[in-house]
Amino acid sequence: AQSVTQLGSHVSVSEGALVLLRCNYSSSVPPYLFWYVQYPNQGLQLLLKYTSAATLVKGINGFEAEFKKSETSFHLTKPSAHMSDAAEYFCAVRTAGNKLTFGGGTRVLVKP
Amino acid sequence: KAGVTQTPRYLIKTRGQQVTLSCSPISGHRSVSWYQQTPGQGLQFLFEYFSETQRNKGNFPGRFSGRQFSNSRSEMNVSTLELGDSALYLCASFPGTGDTGELFFGEGSRLTVL
Repeated sequence: AQSVTQLGSHVSVSEGALVLLRCNYSSSVPPYLFWYVQYPNQGLQLLLKYTSAATLVKGINGFEAEFKKSETSFHLTKPSAHMSDAAEYFCAVRTAGNKLTFGGGTRVLVKP
Repeated sequence: KAGVTQTPRYLIKTRGQQVTLSCSPISGHRSVSWYQQTPGQGLQFLFEYFSETQRNKGNFPGRFSGRQFSNSRSEMNVSTLELGDSALYLCASFPGTGDTGELFFGEGSRLTVL
């Protein structure tokens, strides 16, 4: 069964510092992987997706993620954190049909 | 293009009651999925509908049901509500064809069961 693990349920970064959110997946087939962001009292917004076209994927708001098959990882990064990046981030893998299996989420706190 | 619309956004029920939540997908999208989000269990898949047929189902009791109409709008129903059903219920739409796997989410319906 395909699954996703996000390391760290909370991450605190200073404004202007690197944001690194870790995601590892397990999949027996080439996966479709996604990062979503959720702001308070809102739904999920797609940040970026990996669909095997390129291993380095650029998303919205300056985020990017690198697919590493050897490490079964799809970590999300942003070079310089902004206060508006404070939110919860979810890594997900597409499984049967259009079902998404999500990681537990990582809540990001940005300190001024 | 309008996004995914969920109604109501907030509702409060008492144990034993039932609730119906509605979702209007993006125009042209034929697939609608439902997810439950709770602090303890995270995001869990409930079911997916495509062209009025349930295509996939998660591991939830039979009290949770859904349906899709010919215009692709979907409803989910929870009967005999329990305290543990308090959650944010998210609807997601998908074109139904193509292979990108990107789902578009609504803002959710927050259900509180007292």
